[in-house]
Amino acid sequence: DGGITQSPKYLFRKEGQNVTLSCEQNLNHDAMYWYRQDPGQGLRLIYYSQIVNDFQKGDIAEGYSVSREKKESFPLTVTSAQKNPTAFYLCASSMEAGGRYGYTFGSGTRLTVV
Amino acid sequence: GQQLNQSPQSMFIQEGEDVSMNCTSSSIFNTWLWYKQDPGEGPVLLIALYKAGELTSNGRLTAQFGITRKDSFLNISASIPSDVGIYFCAGRYNNAGNMLTFGGGTRLMVKP
Repeated sequence: DGGITQSPKYLFRKEGQNVTLSCEQNLNHDAMYWYRQDPGQGLRLIYYSQIVNDFQKGDIAEGYSVSREKKESFPLTVTSAQKNPTAFYLCASSMEAGGRYGYTFGSGTRLTVV
Repeated sequence: GQQLNQSPQSMFIQEGEDVSMNCTSSSIFNTWLWYKQDPGEGPVLLIALYKAGELTSNGRLTAQFGITRKDSFLNISASIPSDVGIYFCAGRYNNAGNMLTFGGGTRLMVKP
């Protein structure tokens, strides 16, 4: 079945460490997105990519980095520069840039700094 | 930039009651979408609307694309405990490069 897979589901990070969250889709979607969700809050856009080898900053890109070397993969690295990384991270993809037909979301990764 | 105001922010209702929530935008949209997020999971698309005035149902859920193109409504009839979650609206104007704008979400709690 086609879908979007995020791993791991739960991730613990020590302060000062970089961690990478995986996002893979087999939907043949062109565009991919990363969102951050804090408890009781909405979705905030971190980075997005509308095509392979290209990506753009979202509203809260500081302390994060991404790559888009393959169409199906869009990993997110949370760097030590991100001062408050504990959050729920959601990856999404859409058939075309813009998502007129909606985004398909993964099941999320919960990152906790210990 | 575009702003989406979703209300109410939260609702605590009795099982069997009907629920209404809405989103309003500062600018017009060509697409309105409604998502539901179960606790600890990613949002799932419930209903997509593409035409002003359009009314679409999905089981006990009904959504409408406002005729001004600046608002949308979601109704849930006869709520059940599994309706618990966060409901998000999302809108988009069909310009090249435009992305979805998400509302802040409505947290629904259902008392059995």
